[in-house]
Amino acid sequence: DVKVTQSSRYLVKRTGEKVFLECVQDMDHENMFWYRQDPGLGLRLIYFSYDVKMKEKGDIPEGYSVSREKKERFSLILESASTNQTSMYLCASSPAPGDQPQHFGDGTRLSIL
Amino acid sequence: AQKITQTQPGMFVQEKEAVTLDCTYDTSDPSYGLFWYKQPSSGEMIFLIYQGSYDQQNATEGRYSLNFQKARKSANLVISASQLGDSAMYFCAMRVLFGNEKLTFGTGTRLTIIP
Repeated sequence: DVKVTQSSRYLVKRTGEKVFLECVQDMDHENMFWYRQDPGLGLRLIYFSYDVKMKEKGDIPEGYSVSREKKERFSLILESASTNQTSMYLCASSPAPGDQPQHFGDGTRLSIL
Repeated sequence: AQKITQTQPGMFVQEKEAVTLDCTYDTSDPSYGLFWYKQPSSGEMIFLIYQGSYDQQNATEGRYSLNFQKARKSANLVISASQLGDSAMYFCAMRVLFGNEKLTFGTGTRLTIIP
């Protein structure tokens, strides 16, 4: 079974802090993704990566950056956390090419105070 | 750009009845895939079923089937003989098959099964 592990289920941080969300997958997948989920808005893509050190902006990249130094690990960084970044964050991975499903982690519920 | 529309924010269904969750999509690309995911209250996203745009038959996986009507651009999920454990959020999503790997999600339907 594919395992996507997010480092924290719940996280509380303060406004202005730099926040790191970590995601690790164990299936040698090329593609990795970060989404945020808000009620009534579904899942929205923040960034994705299709190879080590490669990244692409998704629909809502503002205020976020990512890092992929190793194939199995994809980090989401909130450079200076703000209250409007309080949300559920979901990491996913998939193999190339395009008809394979994305496999998700359990999510990190992040609160910015 | 792709768009997914789920018009049912919430549904209540009696246990053991069949349920249909609606999904319509919009894309100008001829090659795409449609996915359904289930999200229980615990938060994880569980992949349920996949339909490719060129697939001739509707996809089925156990109690799940996908009613794919290409001309109408709809990809409804049908759950037969619903169970209490089916209570969850359900998301429809699509991806263009020969572009980037991005999934576009709908806003979801919250399904509640009543005993």
